[in-house]
Amino acid sequence: AQKVTQAQTEISVVEKEDVTLDCVYETRDTTYYLFWYKQPPSGELVFLIRRNSFDEQNEISGRYSWNFQKSTSSFNFTITASQVVDSAVYFCALSEESGGSYIPTFGRGTSLIVHP
Amino acid sequence: NAGVTQTPKFRILKIGQSMTLQCTQDMNHNYMYWYRQDPGMGLKLIYYSVGAGITDKGEVPNGYNVSRSTTEDFPLRLELAAPSQTSVYFCASSYDGGKDTQYFGPGTRLTVL
Repeated sequence: AQKVTQAQTEISVVEKEDVTLDCVYETRDTTYYLFWYKQPPSGELVFLIRRNSFDEQNEISGRYSWNFQKSTSSFNFTITASQVVDSAVYFCALSEESGGSYIPTFGRGTSLIVHP
Repeated sequence: NAGVTQTPKFRILKIGQSMTLQCTQDMNHNYMYWYRQDPGMGLKLIYYSVGAGITDKGEVPNGYNVSRSTTEDFPLRLELAAPSQTSVYFCASSYDGGKDTQYFGPGTRLTVL
């Protein structure tokens, strides 16, 4: 079983639509960390957000918002009023302790295509 | 700061050849990682290091070796290249390990023919 499931392989929207990218994780730990990264067509990986398991506050950063719900083991990412520049692959990652170190595990990614 | 740099950007190898992917960071991070990215599969951890002289296997270490003689450098060695190692390789570093943001290099696209 995957530790991080991004069930949406590809999402296609028209500019100005809102879009939510789902991330469901699996862990038995009480302390863990969650991340979202963006990979635009140029290929680099860019950090978007980090959350620890004790901080369930939702976060908003401009058009981006994140909804962390421990009850459903989900950490979903919403883009409001999407723009063409949001077209990218988005990765969710879970970091949990193993052998004294926190080891990241990435989901398979969701490819977001925003059409003008 | 240059951040995390990787060389080369692209490389084509023949089956059975060997090569070293270079990774350097100038942020004085103790933690460094090597991932491979295959289409539709996300990033898979190959090896990681928690400091100079200390390395450990990740999820997919077979066919690879690493060393960490300095804080800055974390080279990845491929011995006896196989077509299954065709992938994009990313190096990353972080200040506080997996609890922290990872800073990624630009990647190396490797093709094994």
